[in-house]
Parts: sequence; C-alpha cells; structure tokens
Amino acid sequence: AQSVTQLGSHVSVSEGALVLLRCNYSSSVPPYLFWYVQYPNQGLQLLLKYTSAATLVKGINGFEAEFKKSETSFHLTKPSAHMSDAAEYFCAVSRTDSWGKLQFGAGTQVVVTP
Amino acid sequence: DTGVSQNPRHKITKRGQNVTFRCDPISEHNRLYWYRQTLGQGPEFLTYFQNEAQLEKSRLLSDRFSAERPKGSFSTLEIQRTEQGDSAMYLCASSPPGGGGITEAFFGQGTRLTVV
Repeated sequence: AQSVTQLGSHVSVSEGALVLLRCNYSSSVPPYLFWYVQYPNQGLQLLLKYTSAATLVKGINGFEAEFKKSETSFHLTKPSAHMSDAAEYFCAVSRTDSWGKLQFGAGTQVVVTP
Repeated sequence: DTGVSQNPRHKITKRGQNVTFRCDPISEHNRLYWYRQTLGQGPEFLTYFQNEAQLEKSRLLSDRFSAERPKGSFSTLEIQRTEQGDSAMYLCASSPPGGGGITEAFFGQGTRLTVV
C-alpha cells in the first residue's frame, strides 16, 4: 500500500520569499515521486519527478525537490516566489513495479502576496 | 498542440441522466488513465487502459460507471443515472509505452461535471 500526505492545505508566501511545500509518503516498495501543479480549471502539469537517480531533483519554473529516504519526504522548494506561482500543488507517488498509476496527496494551495 | 484533449470541458446535467465524456490521448501513447477530482482533494484513480484493454478499475468505479477504449485510441467514460455525488472534475491522462511507474503522465484539462 502507498499513501501521500501533504502538510498544510494552504500556504501564503510573499513575492520573493521562499516557497516550501511538504510531502511525506509511505510505500511498501521503492517509489517514484512526482510534483504536479494545477492552475484554476486546468489539468495537471508535471513540475518534477524523482526516479531513483539524484536525490535533489530540479524541475521547471525554478522548483526543486529533495528525496530523503530516512524521512520518507519529498519536499518542494523555490527560493523566490513569483506571482505566477499561485496555484495548487500536488505530490504523487507511483510504484516502481506499476504501470504508472498515481496516488495523489490532497494538495496545497499557494497564495502569493505582493 | 497535440496534448491530451477532453470534451466537453463542462457538463451540467440533471440527476438521473446519463452522461458521456471523451478523451483523446497523445498520439502513440498506449496508456490511458481516468481520474476523478473533487473540490479540495487530489485526483483519485478510476481506471487504466493499456491499448484497448482495461487492466484495472478502482472500487470508486461503481456499476453506474463504464469506460471504453475501442481500438486503443480515444476513450469514453459514461456515467449512468447520475447522482449529485458524481459532481467532480474528471481528468484523463496518457503516457507512452515502457518505463513502468517512472513514466510521466500527461493530463488533459478535464471535464467538470455538475449534477443538479
């Protein structure tokens, strides 16, 4: 069985400040981990994914995430928030022995204030 | 742009009516997934096709739900006798062959269903 927990359903950050979104997972087998972003009334867009290569993963739009096996975490960060980062962010896990079925967290809504 | 296409984008229906949604995946993507997303929640897996074969169905997919993917191309999701609890965003995604769980899924913009 696998599951994903995102801490904090809403995060408010000032423009230019650090963005930190937390994700913890549980998986009975080594997982693949993903961060997706969703803008209002849109589908999901992949930000980055962990595939058991480097533990620090860089994605699009200046985001990066670090896989920490000991903490079962895959937190998403961006050094400096931009107004365009306002969206909902989802952490997801899939099994390495699966065909791509994703288990999503409940999501974190990011608000960026001027 | 040859991304995943979903139609219609919005559907309002009366309780008890049947509705059908269509998903056109990216060409050459043999894997196709349906997810359902309710307000304030992450997407939940509904079903998965590899080519034309439906290989897995979630327990969320009651007998009122049916999905098809004839000829391994587009897919349809039908909901019979809709209930207010069916109101949600229905997301379709596709991914290319190979790679197992590592393969990125590309999502469509979704169909928002409102049952009144």
